[in-house]
Amino acid sequence: GAVVSQHPSWVICKSGTSVKIECRSLDFQATTMFWYRQFPKQSLMLMATSNEGSKATYEQGVEKDKFLINHASLTLSTLTVTSAHPEDSSFYICSAREDRAQHFGDGTRLSIL
Amino acid sequence: GQNIDQPTEMTATEGAIVQINCTYQTSGFNGLFWYQQHAGEAPTFLSYNVLDGLEEKGRFSSFLSRSKGYSYLLLKELQMKDSASYLCAVMDSNYQLIWGAGTKLIIKP
Repeated sequence: GAVVSQHPSWVICKSGTSVKIECRSLDFQATTMFWYRQFPKQSLMLMATSNEGSKATYEQGVEKDKFLINHASLTLSTLTVTSAHPEDSSFYICSAREDRAQHFGDGTRLSIL
Repeated sequence: GQNIDQPTEMTATEGAIVQINCTYQTSGFNGLFWYQQHAGEAPTFLSYNVLDGLEEKGRFSSFLSRSKGYSYLLLKELQMKDSASYLCAVMDSNYQLIWGAGTKLIIKP
């Protein structure tokens, strides 16, 4: 079946560091990928929709200059959290659309000290 | 506005049956999804309904009534490993997924 690979699984870093998260569709091409954030005991929150070859569409309240998204190919989207601070600590999950289905990566747990 | 409603939490007994309901109001409809999410993990796909009726897949079944804006996920022969959050999501006319807040299912021995 379709597989989405997300890397890294865990990141622990100091405040002010920039962190890049990769999301790859392994056996299908994904023109659209999604980035979610989930705080403990809360529901998934869509941050942005990433479209191959064009600018990402950010949800209201999400800072596009802080959360940089690049979707340079049909199988790879990256999310860079720039100058991360403790309040950015969260579980970040990507998904890739194949037809009408969305396949999720395993998520990245980001902890900023 | 767009809205997905599902109960916050449910409790059931191992070996029993539980039904998790989901009602929705969205801009258009291109299908309804159910996902399972264990604590600390990403969601995993369970089912997809786009036509009215019941879809059965092993111990899990999903039902849809488009006219009522209603779906349910039915879990039979509950096992302890079924303890998780169950997310209802509707794909709207723009093919975007609108997510419910999830139902936390607690299974007791």
